[in-house]
Amino acid sequence: GAVVSQHPSRVICKSGTSVKIECRSLDFQATTMFWYRQFPKQSLMLMATSNEGSKATYEQGVEKDKFLINHASLTLSTLTVTSAHPEDSSFYICSASQGVDQPQHFGDGTRLSIL
Amino acid sequence: SQQGEEDPQALSIQEGENATMNCSYKTSINNLQWYRQNSGRGLVHLILIRSNEREKHSGRLRVTLDTSKKSSSLLITASRAADTASYFCATPQFYFGTGTSLTVIP
Repeated sequence: GAVVSQHPSRVICKSGTSVKIECRSLDFQATTMFWYRQFPKQSLMLMATSNEGSKATYEQGVEKDKFLINHASLTLSTLTVTSAHPEDSSFYICSASQGVDQPQHFGDGTRLSIL
Repeated sequence: SQQGEEDPQALSIQEGENATMNCSYKTSINNLQWYRQNSGRGLVHLILIRSNEREKHSGRLRVTLDTSKKSSSLLITASRAADTASYFCATPQFYFGTGTSLTVIP
């Protein structure tokens, strides 16, 4: 089956640090990758949609300068949380899809803790 | 909001019983997807049902879709302790519902 690798799985760092999270589709080419944020016991909140070679589309209320997304190839997308603060602490999950009518394949998530 | 809404929010059953979860959504769709999430992990795709389908089966899973009512249900038959997880429905625009937390007691 389709595999998506997300790295790192856990990050603990000081306030003001920038953190990069990678999302790779290992055995398929992903037309689109998605980044979500999930608070404890809540649903996934779509942050942005990224297509290879073009700028990401951010959901309303998500700061594009805060959450930088790069989708350099059909198998790799990165999310950089810039100058992270404690309120950015959350569980971030990426997914990859081969099309709107295709299922999403999820990474295992990154738990980000900002001290 | 295009999010789906699942009910119940939490469900606790004995092993061997059936579990039914419902999802309602607000927009027109051409398919609906169900996912499962184990605690602290990513989501696993379970099943995709298209708008021209009324019912779909996959192993112990049965999904129904009623586009006139904008609702879907997920039935897990003969539940097992390993089915304990959160279950979400998602629209093609990839907006996820609030989820149902299922606990199967051995």
